[in-house]
Amino acid sequence: TQLLEQSPQFLSIQEGENLTVYCNSSSVFSSLQWYRQEPGEGPVLLVTVVTGGEVKKLKRLTFQFGDARKDSSLHITAAQPGDTGLYLCAGLGGTSYGKLTFGQGTILTVHP
Amino acid sequence: ETGVTQSPTHLIKTRGQQVTLRCSSQSGHNTVSWYQQALGQGPQFIFQYYREEENGRGNFPPRFSGLQFPNYSSELNVNALELDDSALYLCASSGQGRNTGELFFGEGSRLTVL
Repeated sequence: TQLLEQSPQFLSIQEGENLTVYCNSSSVFSSLQWYRQEPGEGPVLLVTVVTGGEVKKLKRLTFQFGDARKDSSLHITAAQPGDTGLYLCAGLGGTSYGKLTFGQGTILTVHP
Repeated sequence: ETGVTQSPTHLIKTRGQQVTLRCSSQSGHNTVSWYQQALGQGPQFIFQYYREEENGRGNFPPRFSGLQFPNYSSELNVNALELDDSALYLCASSGQGRNTGELFFGEGSRLTVL
């Protein structure tokens, strides 16, 4: 069974601070995705990382996929209140058609 | 382009009842996946339908069943409801066949079992 451990579970910071969310597993994933979910809505894809060691930047968000494709991180620079939400990492295994394994999520609150 | 739509958005059932949740996939998408998201947790994969056939199933009992129709819309049926079935049920569609690429999620159906 593939599991993804996400940390921290809760994060409460002030506007302008930086933060990092981690996603770790003992399993190898063919790709890893990060989603953001707001209350009352479904998750929305932020990024997909595929290659070990890959780094992708999306404005103030930086995503990294570990060299062994077992872990990933999301770093937000100068957080803003609009970044508040549930952040989910999700891994896709090589032989599990259509099955995304999600972490338990990180609830981020950015205070003005 | 029409996104993924789910119905109903909220519903309340009692233990032992049956429920059917519906999902219309995004235009042009032929693959639908269903996920269960308990409060404070990440989504858990229930199953996926591709071209009207079940194409992968998570660790859910047989009382969770589904259908996909020729227009690629889908239903999730849950029989003999239990209290622990209370959750947000998410439908996601994708257009890349069995190897999931980007999933587009609906807003979910919030089920409460009393």
